[in-house]
Amino acid sequence: QPQLQASGPGLVQPSETLSLTCTVSGDSTSNIDYFWGWIRQPPGKGLEWIASIYYSGSAYHNPSLKSRVTISADTSKNRFSLELNSVTAADTALYFCARQRYDSSGYYYPRWFDPWGQGVLVTVSS
Amino acid sequence: EIVLTQSPATLSVSPGERVTLSCRASQTVTSDLAWYQQKPGQAPRLLIYAASTRATGIPARFSGSGSGTEFTLTISSLQSEDFAVYYCQQYNNWRYTFGQGTRLEIK
Repeated sequence: QPQLQASGPGLVQPSETLSLTCTVSGDSTSNIDYFWGWIRQPPGKGLEWIASIYYSGSAYHNPSLKSRVTISADTSKNRFSLELNSVTAADTALYFCARQRYDSSGYYYPRWFDPWGQGVLVTVSS
Repeated sequence: EIVLTQSPATLSVSPGERVTLSCRASQTVTSDLAWYQQKPGQAPRLLIYAASTRATGIPARFSGSGSGTEFTLTISSLQSEDFAVYYCQQYNNWRYTFGQGTRLEIK
């Protein structure tokens, strides 16, 4: 089972940009059978999908966050990244990265998330 | 957006009991539904995909069923390590959504 490790600053100022990286080991971000995604969880609350990206650069974004989100992949370093701009306290959450199963025939959308990284807590506060 | 409603929000049960958790979708997701388990301080773990297929390494006491808009996760005999929060997720379209979770507590 591959391992994913999210990393980034634990504290971000309001109105600034949140930047996170997920480093993958035990699999390749160029694997045609997977997308790579970000999901977040505000403290004590449920899960919200943010965005997912394929090695080719093809990506899907949560419409509610799309205007503020940039997702990218660096296959040479086997990692992918998330940027969320103009953050507010509502963006305080545990941010997870995860591998997302995909049927490379293109007939289906990316599907379930497995495995997940441990997550990084990001607090938006001045 | 497809809304997933899980019930109950909290379930108090005793070890050894059989439990059934429900996930209802606001529109059909065919069989494009997954279940996850999350323990405190941990990332979610995939249990079930395609509504009824157990993920690798998941014990046989976990089973999923349903299609369309009604889904269930059944744990046949609760073990101490099963007390956690359970989430469903739909992937019928790319606007992935999760249910709000069901918390299993020890009675």
